[in-house]
Amino acid sequence: SQELEQSPQSLIVQEGKNLTINCTSSKTLYGLYWYKQKYGEGLIFLMMLQKGGEEKSHEKITAKLDEKKQQSSLHITASQPSHAGIYLCGADGSGAQKLVFGQGTRLTINP
Amino acid sequence: KAGVTQTPRYLIKTRGQQVTLSCSPISGHRSVSWYQQTPGQGLQFLFEYFSETQRNKGNFPGRFSGRQFSNSRSEMNVSTLELGDSALYLCASSPLSGTYNEQFFGPGTRLTVL
Repeated sequence: SQELEQSPQSLIVQEGKNLTINCTSSKTLYGLYWYKQKYGEGLIFLMMLQKGGEEKSHEKITAKLDEKKQQSSLHITASQPSHAGIYLCGADGSGAQKLVFGQGTRLTINP
Repeated sequence: KAGVTQTPRYLIKTRGQQVTLSCSPISGHRSVSWYQQTPGQGLQFLFEYFSETQRNKGNFPGRFSGRQFSNSRSEMNVSTLELGDSALYLCASSPLSGTYNEQFFGPGTRLTVL
């Protein structure tokens, strides 16, 4: 079954700094989704990447999909307190697993 | 448009009991998926319902079951609760099955099993 590994598991950065979160798949990625979750709440869809080399941006968040490396990265520029939360990557699973997720990266922004 | 609603938001049960959680999807959405989130296992897919039929099921024991009604509202049931069932249960709705980029999540139901 497909597995997604995220790194780092937690990240503490000072407000205004840039940061990157990685998501590595055990199998070839055909579709990769990024979500944000505030503690104890539901997930908010951020971006979907489908093609190798694809890059998407929304406000100060940029996500890239490197199919050859079976990896995706999420980059936040000039971080703000509103960026704090848990970021999860998800991908189409194989077999019965409809959607599999990484373990998540907990992001803390210090003022 | 109203978002996905889940009831109750918090629930405390004891081992051996059963529990029913409810999810009301966004109006017009016909697919409802359920997920379990725990610190140890992370976010795991439970099952998906589309037009009152179970479309997909994750690797969970038969104690976990669900159903969907004609108005697309969905319920999930966990029987014979175990301590390990303590988790945040999330439901998500989408217009069609498998359209994850159009999937909206509810706030979740936090279940504590004592």
